[in-house]
Amino acid sequence: EIVMTQSPATLSVSPGERATLSCRASQSINSDLAWYQQKPGQPPRLLIYGASTRATGIPARFSGSGSGTEFSLTISSLQSEDFAMYYCQQYNQWPPETFGGGTKVEIK
Amino acid sequence: EEQVLESGGALVQPGGSLKLSCTPSGFTFNNFGMSWVRQAPGKGLEWVSTISASGGSTKYADSVKGRFSIFRDNSKNTLSLQMSSLRANDTAVYFCARRNRAQKTGGYYMDVWGKGTTVSVSS
Repeated sequence: EIVMTQSPATLSVSPGERATLSCRASQSINSDLAWYQQKPGQPPRLLIYGASTRATGIPARFSGSGSGTEFSLTISSLQSEDFAMYYCQQYNQWPPETFGGGTKVEIK
Repeated sequence: EEQVLESGGALVQPGGSLKLSCTPSGFTFNNFGMSWVRQAPGKGLEWVSTISASGGSTKYADSVKGRFSIFRDNSKNTLSLQMSSLRANDTAVYFCARRNRAQKTGGYYMDVWGKGTTVSVSS
């Protein structure tokens, strides 16, 4: 089973600042990585797939990079609606498809 | 708008059974594989099961293998998850999600998610 590790667990950022979230896979997953945003009481929302392709309707301030085992999600200028939980997920080798433990982006 | 809507969540006793359903709209259901993902209270996301577009292939997490069964009826546009021998640690919000294929790599990500249905297992 591929283990996905996200860091940090919590990221405190001021509105307008840049945020960078990390995700590491226990073995190479090529570019088979997705990022999801989840707000309390809501389902996950797909942000990025293929490590770097924005999903339909996702603002350009969200960008993904990486391949192999190291990945990152960058939010270039945090807006109020971006404060949420973020999960990475690998879909290269499954079952099981595995999620990271999440990074909470909170207001500083 | 492409959507999926889950139903069937309930409070059930340990050892009991429950069937969840997922109804799609806005897309051609039989063109897509589907998955169930769950989230225990205050916890992260856990993949549960996946079924191919035709229904001919199914996969399960080890935690539910032998107890849960995923199936679909493409003629009725319905996805289901039959859960049996339920345990307290099956308590979670269960999300239905559509799988879509990444053109570059061929892998499948989950792009359309329902709002979820709550399953509580308690005596």
